[in-house]
Amino acid sequence: EDQVTQSPEALRLQEGESSSLNCSYTVSGLRGLFWYRQDPGKGPEFLFTLYSAGEEKEKERLKATLTKKESFLHITAPKPEDSATYLCAAAGAGSYQLTFGKGTKLSVIP
Amino acid sequence: GAVVSQHPSWVICKSGTSVKIECRSLDFQATTMFWYRQFPKQSLMLMATSNEGSKATYEQGVEKDKFLINHASLTLSTLTVTSAHPEDSSFYICSAGGGPDTQYFGPGTRLTVL
Repeated sequence: EDQVTQSPEALRLQEGESSSLNCSYTVSGLRGLFWYRQDPGKGPEFLFTLYSAGEEKEKERLKATLTKKESFLHITAPKPEDSATYLCAAAGAGSYQLTFGKGTKLSVIP
Repeated sequence: GAVVSQHPSWVICKSGTSVKIECRSLDFQATTMFWYRQFPKQSLMLMATSNEGSKATYEQGVEKDKFLINHASLTLSTLTVTSAHPEDSSFYICSAGGGPDTQYFGPGTRLTVL
């Protein structure tokens, strides 16, 4: 059974204080590892897809990396508007279905 | 980017009534759509996979007779919660595959059953 575990559950940062979110996964034949941002009462917003170990992708203050067992979402010099829940999801080989982690709720304090 | 809409955004109904939620891909065609349920402070749990022109595939533990899914066209899937009860109150989110490596999510529908 595919499993995705995210840590920490919640993270509180001062504005400008960089940090990383972790996503550990157990998936048969990983086809893709996905990161989403979810604001309260909204659907998830797509951020990145990673396909193979060693791959990195960046978008503004966010950078996602992937190893064979886990993925990290690095947040550099975060701003209050980066506050949200960040979801990690994985898809196995030959499947569209995503298995989601429980998310990390990020709060950035001015 | 691809846009997925849901209607209604929120609904309140009485116990025992049925509620229909629509999911539309606005600027792309989707042969496959997914329905998720999210309880407070929990992650998204896949309920079913909706395939255009064929029966939906339900995840284990999801009652197919209670959660009716119809994927009538390449841009529309509907989820009907039949004989809703308070325990069905949740946030229902659909997603549509813009391709094999991308899923775009709708804004969600908040269902409250009194």
